[in-house]
Amino acid sequence: DSGVTQTPKHLITATGQRVTLRCSPRSGDLSVYWYQQSLDQGLQFLIQYYNGEERAKGNILERFSAQQFPDLHSELNLSSLELGDSALYFCASSATHQMIGRYEQYFGPGTRLTVT
Amino acid sequence: ILNVEQSPQSLHVQEGDSTNFTCSFPSSNFYALHWYRWETAKSPEALFVMTLNGDEKKKGRISATLNTKEGYSYLYIKGSQPEDSATYLCAFGNSGGYQKVTFGTGTKLQVIP
Repeated sequence: DSGVTQTPKHLITATGQRVTLRCSPRSGDLSVYWYQQSLDQGLQFLIQYYNGEERAKGNILERFSAQQFPDLHSELNLSSLELGDSALYFCASSATHQMIGRYEQYFGPGTRLTVT
Repeated sequence: ILNVEQSPQSLHVQEGDSTNFTCSFPSSNFYALHWYRWETAKSPEALFVMTLNGDEKKKGRISATLNTKEGYSYLYIKGSQPEDSATYLCAFGNSGGYQKVTFGTGTKLQVIP
């Protein structure tokens, strides 16, 4: 158990809808990272928040947004969903403010999103 | 686009065999390399964080080396066990003005009892 929690575990929704994925980092970690793994693709970095502020952006679509709250949990909002958004979404947390630094990242169990 | 390649894509080894695989990354603007172990139906688990050229890290039967000048890292597993079966991922972070993290596509290891 990494100490990072994600909810829900599975989500099935229709095209055009909007969903929110939630992540709680490990106790003491200030950084939250979101990743997407689509079928036959490697892990793609989406976005990072550090202590409530957006720190780095990767291959995140404009239809997607995220935020980190004062209690450090983070939410990833996906809107106008398309079939191609079906993927496994991971969040990870770390003690560092860097995108990939000298501290480990701890991954949550992931949310599997299926868009039908 | 930063090119991070892992080889082989997959391999099968007999229990007790030792094995190794490679992560290749750009040799310029190196900042950090992470290795992860990713079991099926679980989430990636950090194995090593490597930051200095010549770094060697070890955790039990698994070890890793780093050569930033030529742009590669090796992961070694000594005396493979069935529980080592997993996908091993590397992630490269560059230095410089705009830091990116790029994951390789992984090496899928299956250890046959």
